Amino acid sequence: KAGVTQTPRYLIKTRGQQVTLSCSPISGHRSVSWYQQTPGQGLQFLFEYFSETQRNKGNFPGRFSGRQFSNSRSEMNVSTLELGDSALYLCASRQTGTNYGYTFGSGTRLTVV
Amino acid sequence: GQQVMQIPQYQHVQEGEDFTTYCNSSTTLSNIQWYKQRPGGHPVFLIQLVKSGEVKKQKRLTFQFGEAKKNSSLHITATQTTDVGTYFCAGGASYNTDKLIFGTGTRLQVFP
Repeated sequence: KAGVTQTPRYLIKTRGQQVTLSCSPISGHRSVSWYQQTPGQGLQFLFEYFSETQRNKGNFPGRFSGRQFSNSRSEMNVSTLELGDSALYLCASRQTGTNYGYTFGSGTRLTVV
Repeated sequence: GQQVMQIPQYQHVQEGEDFTTYCNSSTTLSNIQWYKQRPGGHPVFLIQLVKSGEVKKQKRLTFQFGEAKKNSSLHITATQTTDVGTYFCAGGASYNTDKLIFGTGTRLQVFP
């Protein structure tokens, strides 16, 4: 069974640009969440999608957005990049129901210069 | 907003010693999950606790959920070098079980 796939693995962007990150969840998993991980702030919740609907949102500015497609694949977009957006962006999926943990992808390492 | 703190932030132990990390939430949790992240890796799900006072074991790992469902602990007996990594607890908010708030993490280093 394939795991959670995130692309690209590494990305270097300049300030002011925008970026789109992609996540393909495990087949059959309809819930997809995104997290930002930095050394100083740990794992910060960005948003969670289920059946193409955003169910939860973290405390991030509107520059951070996402969506989920009918095949459960998800994308997140960051516009007007800032240096502070440099981080590891992790996508996680899980089966429907509250008794299952999340399976994380390997993440996308974004560096803003 | 909801916060989940973990202590200690770092722990260095000699191989064979025990290790415990504690997780405390500012609000009541519906469930608590534990994850392990190896250096350079991504978080890997270990276990979920749901019931008040619940205790679960996985070989040398013992997980507890507090009676008030606001705290949890992970205890590793006789650590091994393969236990190295950062251990995160993640709390499901009582009002919305699909959103997980991760704790600050405890980085464990094991010296042979």
